[in-house]
Amino acid sequence: QVQLQQWGAGLLKPSETLSLTCVVSGGSFSAYYWTWIRQPPGKGLEWIGEINHRGSGKSNPSLKSRVNISVDTSKNQVSLKLSSVTAADTAVYYCATAQFSGSYLVFDPWGQGTLVTVSS
Amino acid sequence: DIQMTQSPSSLSASVGDRVTITCRASQSIGSYLNWYQQKPGKAPKLLIFAASSLPSGIPSRFSGSGSGTDFTLNISSLQPEHFATYFCQQSFRSPYTFGQGTKLEIK
Repeated sequence: QVQLQQWGAGLLKPSETLSLTCVVSGGSFSAYYWTWIRQPPGKGLEWIGEINHRGSGKSNPSLKSRVNISVDTSKNQVSLKLSSVTAADTAVYYCATAQFSGSYLVFDPWGQGTLVTVSS
Repeated sequence: DIQMTQSPSSLSASVGDRVTITCRASQSIGSYLNWYQQKPGKAPKLLIFAASSLPSGIPSRFSGSGSGTDFTLNISSLQPEHFATYFCQQSFRSPYTFGQGTKLEIK
């Protein structure tokens, strides 16, 4: 049973870089893609990007120039960096397992979420 | 990007009711449609994938249907634990996008 535990700084100032890490346990790190999704307070969900154990992946074009997703296979960890943050980046950030059931991609399971607030 | 539109945005219902939530895609996505349930302060949980398939452990009172651009989530005989927010999500093409959510509240 895959489990994800995430952590990172919860309060940032505008222009700083958001940095979050997600550690995977209980499953094969190389078997899945790992994805980041965010949710502004009281709002909907936005897919940020994904990566596999080889470091191959893609990100949302709306954030692409500011997003860096990386993996450390020695630690079964996935990291998210988002540069030049503004108040609009205030959200709960989730890491999630991106896996295929047949040809259908699903996000399951998810980490517990980390609230990141950007405020001066 | 593929836009996902859910209706209604909120819904009041009673325990025992049957409810239907609708999700419409801005272009055809086949059956590449997932539904998630989210409770306050918690991460979303996968409810239905491939428009109508239930993951292991999800009770059969949840059902999904549709293909192309129009999809529905049905919950038969609402229980107290079903009052939550429900999101649809397309996995047809990245960037993968979600509906804005439907908040199901107790009447």
